[in-house]
Amino acid sequence: DAGVTQSPTHLIKTRGQHVTLRCSPISGHKSVSWYQQVLGQGPQFIFQYYEKEERGRGNFPDRFSARQFPNYSSELNVNALLLGDSALYLCASSGEAGDTQYFGPGTRLTVL
Amino acid sequence: QKEVEQDPGPLSVPEGAIVSLNCTYSNSAFQYFMWYRQYSRKGPELLMYTYSSGNKEDGRFTAQVDKSSKYISLFIRDSQPSDSATYLCAMSANAGGTSYGKLTFGQGTILTVHP
Repeated sequence: DAGVTQSPTHLIKTRGQHVTLRCSPISGHKSVSWYQQVLGQGPQFIFQYYEKEERGRGNFPDRFSARQFPNYSSELNVNALLLGDSALYLCASSGEAGDTQYFGPGTRLTVL
Repeated sequence: QKEVEQDPGPLSVPEGAIVSLNCTYSNSAFQYFMWYRQYSRKGPELLMYTYSSGNKEDGRFTAQVDKSSKYISLFIRDSQPSDSATYLCAMSANAGGTSYGKLTFGQGTILTVHP
């Protein structure tokens, strides 16, 4: 079975631009979470979605938004990009209660 | 103070050594504990997943959780050069799936196993 997939793999943007990152969960998984990992740090929680509803939000500004689609895939949107948004953006999916989270390969965003 | 503290290392050991990786935490609500392995520029890969206190073994890997001390460990026996990676501890108050399963990570420990 395919794991969590993310697109694109790499992305280069300039300050002030907008970016959309995409994630497809493991087949059968209904929960998707997004994390930001800055170089040299552990991942930081951004959002969790379950059955298209937001279940949790981390300490990130309103420039960050997300949504989940009926097929359980998800998008993360970041507006008005800042240099500090440069990071590896990770998507994770989980199955039913008691399951942990399985991560995708990430999207590396560079903001110039 | 961070909720989860992890020594970033780096840690360098010879092939065949026993490796000990550790994390401490401050949030007593954490019940689920995980170790992930992350190769350079890749996504984290789940190694071990435990609930509450106790030990769990999987091949060369052993995870220990001591909730009374708020301390978790990962032991790697007979370490191999292919084990060279960053090891991340993570924990949550709830499981994933239908529950709000936010993971809180440590900084990660960089491990190098040299032949």
